[in-house]
Amino acid sequence: EAGVTQFPSHSVIEKGQTVTLRCDPISGHDNLYWYRRVMGKEIKFLLHFVKESKQDESGMPNNRFLAERTGGTYSTLKVQPAELEDSGVYFCASSSLGLGEQYFGPGTRLTVT
Amino acid sequence: AQSVTQPDIHITVSEGASLELRCNYSYGATPYLFWYVQSPGQGLQLLLKYFSGDTLVQGIKGFEAEFKRSQSSFNLRKPSVHWSDAAEYFCAVGARGGSQGNLIFGKGTKLSVKP
Repeated sequence: EAGVTQFPSHSVIEKGQTVTLRCDPISGHDNLYWYRRVMGKEIKFLLHFVKESKQDESGMPNNRFLAERTGGTYSTLKVQPAELEDSGVYFCASSSLGLGEQYFGPGTRLTVT
Repeated sequence: AQSVTQPDIHITVSEGASLELRCNYSYGATPYLFWYVQSPGQGLQLLLKYFSGDTLVQGIKGFEAEFKRSQSSFNLRKPSVHWSDAAEYFCAVGARGGSQGNLIFGKGTKLSVKP
């Protein structure tokens, strides 16, 4: 069984540009989560999808971040326009149940210069 | 406010020595508790979890953790560390009910293993 995959593994963009991160969850997992770790800080929750619906987006930092999950399969997280403070590692996780075994992807390291 | 504290940012132990990584949490009620490990270039892997029942929880790779309600702690232990255990370890809590995806993480403890 393939694990959670994320693309790209690393992205370097300039301030003001747009970046789109992609997450492919484990097949059949209805729950998909996005987290972010800014350097030196905790991994922080961004949002939670159940199928294609946003269950909880309380962690999204501002309206420059847009997450979608069309068809309840893969998800994208777009940052537009990117700011320096958006740099960090963005993790995606999926689970078949609401809580418990969240399976994490390797993360996308975003660097905004 | 809900929070998780891992007081040790970096720990170095000798191979074969015992290990204890500390985790304390602040939460309104008893949460679900987790330990994750992240090896270089890898995603987070679940080591073990506590939901209810026996407060001593066994996990993968020979790890165990003990939930102590009176101390709001969930420390991770391993009796004999292997070089492959060098990684970063994260303690996390999750809510019982409500939004069941919002894991709250500690800052992580980086483990180095000396030969």
